[in-house]
Amino acid sequence: DVKVTQSSRYLVKRTGEKVFLECVQDMDHENMFWYRQDPGLGLRLIYFSYDVKMKEKGDIPEGYSVSREKKERFSLILESASTNQTSMYLCAINARGAYEQYFGPGTRLTVT
Amino acid sequence: QKEVEQNSGPLSVPEGAIASLNCTYSDRVSQSFFWYRQYSGKSPELIMSIYSNGDKEDGRFTAQLNKASQYVSLLIRDSQPSDSATYLCAVRDTGRRALTFGSGTRLQVQP
Repeated sequence: DVKVTQSSRYLVKRTGEKVFLECVQDMDHENMFWYRQDPGLGLRLIYFSYDVKMKEKGDIPEGYSVSREKKERFSLILESASTNQTSMYLCAINARGAYEQYFGPGTRLTVT
Repeated sequence: QKEVEQNSGPLSVPEGAIASLNCTYSDRVSQSFFWYRQYSGKSPELIMSIYSNGDKEDGRFTAQLNKASQYVSLLIRDSQPSDSATYLCAVRDTGRRALTFGSGTRLQVQP
């Protein structure tokens, strides 16, 4: 079974705080993705990584950065949290050459 | 911006009926197509993938792809109340690692 874990299920932060969301996989997969999901907007890609220290911007990277120092771990960083970053954050993985993506349980972040 | 369109629903069907969920996409070079099921408060779960024109069956689920019409659908036979969820259509375009998702169709199966 594919195993993807995220550091927190629920998180409440204040405006201006630096926020770290972590995703860990045990499948040795190359590709890891961060999406956010908002009602009526579906899932939108923030960033993805295709190898250690390699990253590419997705469709909505503004206000976010990422870090991938080890293959199994992909972190999403909100440099200065804002209320419009209140959302469900989903991490996904897939293997190189495969197209099916598998999701972690998600982190519901509230910024007040 | 490549688009994947789904009717938001809710689609309401009686228990035991066939539920038909539809998805259209805008990019003619899209290669791979996926259906995910998402229960309220949970993350998406992959239920079907389809890569070539025609039908693909897996248990009670059938995915149908028509690339000429840029249309992909999911049929759920013998619908059960436990099938009540939001169904997300996702598309992978050539040369792009990530998927583009529709906003989902909410299915309600009435006992």
